[in-house]
Amino acid sequence: DAGVTQSPTHLIKTRGQQVTLRCSPKSGHDTVSWYQQALGQGPQFIFQYYEEEERQRGNFPDRFSGHQFPNYSSELNVNALLLGDSALYLCASSLIAGYNEQFFGPGTRLTVL
Amino acid sequence: DQQVKQNSPSLSVQEGRISILNCDYTNSMFDYFLWYKKYPAEGPTFLISISSIKDKNEDGRFTVFLNKSAKHLSLHIVPSQPGDSAVYFCAASRSNDYKLSFGAGTTVTVRA
Repeated sequence: DAGVTQSPTHLIKTRGQQVTLRCSPKSGHDTVSWYQQALGQGPQFIFQYYEEEERQRGNFPDRFSGHQFPNYSSELNVNALLLGDSALYLCASSLIAGYNEQFFGPGTRLTVL
Repeated sequence: DQQVKQNSPSLSVQEGRISILNCDYTNSMFDYFLWYKKYPAEGPTFLISISSIKDKNEDGRFTVFLNKSAKHLSLHIVPSQPGDSAVYFCAASRSNDYKLSFGAGTTVTVRA
């Protein structure tokens, strides 16, 4: 049973560029959430997708956007990258009927120079 | 606004002894709490959870205690093993809100 997978593992971008991160949920899960984890901090909720729509959003600017596909996989897009966007980006999947037990992928380490 | 706080950045414990990790929260609407464990280069792994209708939940070596009046929960690991060395995150959520709010984490080191 495949768990949550993310690609790429690492990414280096420069300020002002755009980036797309990808996530495949755990088998049987239909909901995908994205989190940003800065160094020394806990994960911060970006948004959650269910039925191909953004269901809930955290306190992140519009530069952060996402998409969910019919197969439940998801993308996170960040435009106009800032140095402060450097972080570990975590994808988590869950069953919408499940009570908040989210299963996390290994993350994508984004470095903005 | 940090609604979940883990005030101890690190904890060192001898193998075989008890590890106690603490977590405080400020949002009284939180009604479900989780602990995650994270190794380097891996995503957080779910450990144990507790609903606000309970004050204790056990799973093997792991026990979580919830004190709603104090807005405090703790994770006990007994006995501690070298493989328990990791970063532990406390997380909280509320009904009809699938967002998890995390603390900053506590790094546990189990000494042989």
